Amino acid sequence: DADVTQTPRNRITKTGKRIMLECSQTKGHDRMYWYRQDPGLGLRLIYYSFDVKDINKGEISDGYSVSRQAQAKFSLSLESAIPNQTALYFCATSQDSVNTEAFFGQGTRLTVV
Amino acid sequence: KNQVEQSPQSLIILEGKNCTLQCNYTVSPFSNLRWYKQDTGRGPVSLTIMTFSENTKSNGRYTATLDADTKQSSLHITASQLSDSASYICVVSAYFGNEKLTFGTGTRLTIIP
Repeated sequence: DADVTQTPRNRITKTGKRIMLECSQTKGHDRMYWYRQDPGLGLRLIYYSFDVKDINKGEISDGYSVSRQAQAKFSLSLESAIPNQTALYFCATSQDSVNTEAFFGQGTRLTVV
Repeated sequence: KNQVEQSPQSLIILEGKNCTLQCNYTVSPFSNLRWYKQDTGRGPVSLTIMTFSENTKSNGRYTATLDADTKQSSLHITASQLSDSASYICVVSAYFGNEKLTFGTGTRLTIIP
């Protein structure tokens, strides 16, 4: 089983719909992140969480919300999806220290039509 | 503004040949530099992490170098294999209380038989 699991892997949704992307990890890490990847751009941070009581906005949080249900679970919601949120979304985890690698999920390809 | 620039954007080489990918950055205060490999449709996987004091680091056929003075890094791949076909992403970390990652847009490497 993968250390970081994202569901769904692919999703097509209509403009205005609410959608939730889920992430679970078995690494035992406190830190979890949501990124989006667009063609020609580097990964950009949407939200991050250092523990279940700590949620922080990243550089592109507008239009998104998150929930840290447990140490192992971190979900990303699009309250009212719009076409420019079409992207590849990645969840990641890392240990509670600097200079440690991040572990990424397989990604969720989201298309908003 | 913190930036990470990678070159070339894409590269095609014959199986068995060596290649070098470049990364220039303007991130500060510098904490560490990472190289990730991302296969098509998958999440990034860490290859190396280097801190300020490390000049070179190897992971099998992958060798990363870091010149913190000129703010340049390279990733050298020796005796390339078809499985090396992927995008290689340079990521630079800044630290000001919390760690902030800036992602490059990646170099798309294709190995042909």
